[in-house]
Amino acid sequence: DVKVTQSSRYLVKRTGEKVFLECVQDMDHENMFWYRQDPGLGLRLIYFSYDVKMKEKGDIPEGYSVSREKKERFSLILESASTNQTSMYLCASSLSGGGALGETQYFGPGTRLLVL
Amino acid sequence: KQEVTQIPAALSVPEGENLVLNCSFTDSAIYNLQWFRQDPGKGLTSLLLIQSSQREQTSGRLNASLDKSSGRSTLYIAASQPGDSATYLCAYQDSGAGSYQLTFGKGTKLSVIP
Repeated sequence: DVKVTQSSRYLVKRTGEKVFLECVQDMDHENMFWYRQDPGLGLRLIYFSYDVKMKEKGDIPEGYSVSREKKERFSLILESASTNQTSMYLCASSLSGGGALGETQYFGPGTRLLVL
Repeated sequence: KQEVTQIPAALSVPEGENLVLNCSFTDSAIYNLQWFRQDPGKGLTSLLLIQSSQREQTSGRLNASLDKSSGRSTLYIAASQPGDSATYLCAYQDSGAGSYQLTFGKGTKLSVIP
């Protein structure tokens, strides 16, 4: 079974702190994704990566950055946390890109971040 | 930006009923459509994936259909059980070159009453 793990289930940070959210997948997947999920807004893509050291902006990249130094690990960085970044953050991975038969995404359990 | 709409936003049914969840999308040039399940406070679990060339997929008590021409997909759940209570999300992947993104609906929250 594919396993996607996220470093924390719950996190409380203060405004202005630098926050790191880590995601690791164990199935040698090419693609990794970071979403945030908010009531009434659904899932929104922040960033994704289709290869090591490659990244692409999603729909809402402002205030975030990412790092993918190794294939299995994709980090989301909040450079200076703000209260409007309080949310549920979900990481996902998939085997290959859009040229394949259409691969499903496998999700981690999520990190609920509260910024005070 | 393409949109995915799921109606109803919430649904409550007695145990044993068959039910249908609806998903509509504005772009007919989809690559595939997927249905996910999300339990409270958890991540998403993939249920079914329908390729654009397919009309339906089945897994156990679940059946998902796809009608690209009308921009609709349905998830049919037979003989519902309390354990089916969760939020169900549909998402599509568009057919643009190099596209990796999924576009999600906001989900239908299902409650199956014992």
